[in-house]
Amino acid sequence: AQTVTQSQPEMSVQEAETVTLSCTYDTSESDYYLFWYKQPPSRQMILVIRQEAYKQQNATENRFSVNFQKAAKSFSLKISDSQLGDAAMYFCAYRSLKGADGLTFGKGTHLIIQP
Amino acid sequence: DTGVSQDPRHKITKRGQNVTFRCDPISEHNRLYWYRQTLGQGPEFLTYFQNEAQLEKSRLLSDRFSAERPKGSFSTLEIQRTEQGDSAMYLCASSHEGRGIYEQYFGPGTRLTVT
Repeated sequence: AQTVTQSQPEMSVQEAETVTLSCTYDTSESDYYLFWYKQPPSRQMILVIRQEAYKQQNATENRFSVNFQKAAKSFSLKISDSQLGDAAMYFCAYRSLKGADGLTFGKGTHLIIQP
Repeated sequence: DTGVSQDPRHKITKRGQNVTFRCDPISEHNRLYWYRQTLGQGPEFLTYFQNEAQLEKSRLLSDRFSAERPKGSFSTLEIQRTEQGDSAMYLCASSHEGRGIYEQYFGPGTRLTVT
């Protein structure tokens, strides 16, 4: 079974600064998807960015980018120019491409933006 | 396209009662997922449907839980003889497989409190 570990329960960053959230995962599969989801307080979870394991190029979406290190099974999220609206719980998630179809989530990182 | 909706948003029930939640996926999404999220944790996969067929159930889904998706549209999740340990946020997500896109779109969740 796959596991996803987020070792930072909480992170704090000054507005306009850059912050990196860590995620590691354990799998024996070679092909899979990885995601970062954002869950604002009392609001629904939204997708921030995704990465296909077969792609070597790191995904980027505006101020959000990932550092995908397949051999190290690491998938960190970098948020540049942090904004107050980025404050939320961030979850790293793994999706197998065979068998189990549900996402496996980490425990999340609570991101605080200091004005 | 109004996104994934869930009803009710909050439910308080007494131990031993039955409860039913509803999820309406994004129209034309052929896959529908149920997750459970307890405080301080990431969502945990419960089950999913491809159209009307329930294809996978997690071992977390005890025999007190049942899910249906008649006609491949909305889905219901019923919990019989609720226990205090069932208190959690129940999340629904949908996706459209087949386009090579594997993002799951989440609803706002139903928060269940068992007293």
